[in-house]
Amino acid sequence: TQLLEQSPQFLSIQEGENLTVYCNSSSVFSSLQWYRQEPGEGPVLLVTVVTGGEVKKLKRLTFQFGDARKDSSLHITAAQPGDTGLYLCAGAAGSARQLTFGSGTQLTVLP
Amino acid sequence: DVKVTQSSRYLVKRTGEKVFLECVQDMDHENMFWYRQDPGLGLRLIYFSYDVKMKEKGDIPEGYSVSREKKERFSLILESASTNQTSMYLCASSSRLAGKQYFGPGTRLTVT
Repeated sequence: TQLLEQSPQFLSIQEGENLTVYCNSSSVFSSLQWYRQEPGEGPVLLVTVVTGGEVKKLKRLTFQFGDARKDSSLHITAAQPGDTGLYLCAGAAGSARQLTFGSGTQLTVLP
Repeated sequence: DVKVTQSSRYLVKRTGEKVFLECVQDMDHENMFWYRQDPGLGLRLIYFSYDVKMKEKGDIPEGYSVSREKKERFSLILESASTNQTSMYLCASSSRLAGKQYFGPGTRLTVT
């Protein structure tokens, strides 16, 4: 079974601060997805990265896929209370239909 | 607007009861999944199905079974509920080739 480790598990910051969440594995993934989950809801896809070294930006969120396609990071600039939620990374291996999910990072942005 | 719906948001059952969790998607997706979500453990795959009447075990299938008689509906069955099955259960669907999964809102099951 492939494993994805996320760090930190919990993060509480003030509005306006920057933060980075990490997603690491010893396995190679063909693509890596990031989801955000709000209380009482299912996860919602934010982005998919597929090429080693790829960087994608979504407003104040920057996603990077490691060169070896074993790790990824999510950087948020000037965090806002609306960014609060559980961030999950998920990797797909080869043509497999399933995803392997990380343990999640619970982010709280205080006003 | 695409949608995955789950039959209940909250469910309380007694130990030993048979429990059915239903999931319906309106996107004509081939793939459907059942996960359980526990604090600090992320989402763990219980079962998935890539076609009607087809099913494959995920990482933690013990104590669960599934049924997919129609393309849009995927049911999770707890034959004899136990307290260690208290959890949040999430259903998801995806198209045959696309990796993006669409999730339902989840069912929080408590077994007493």
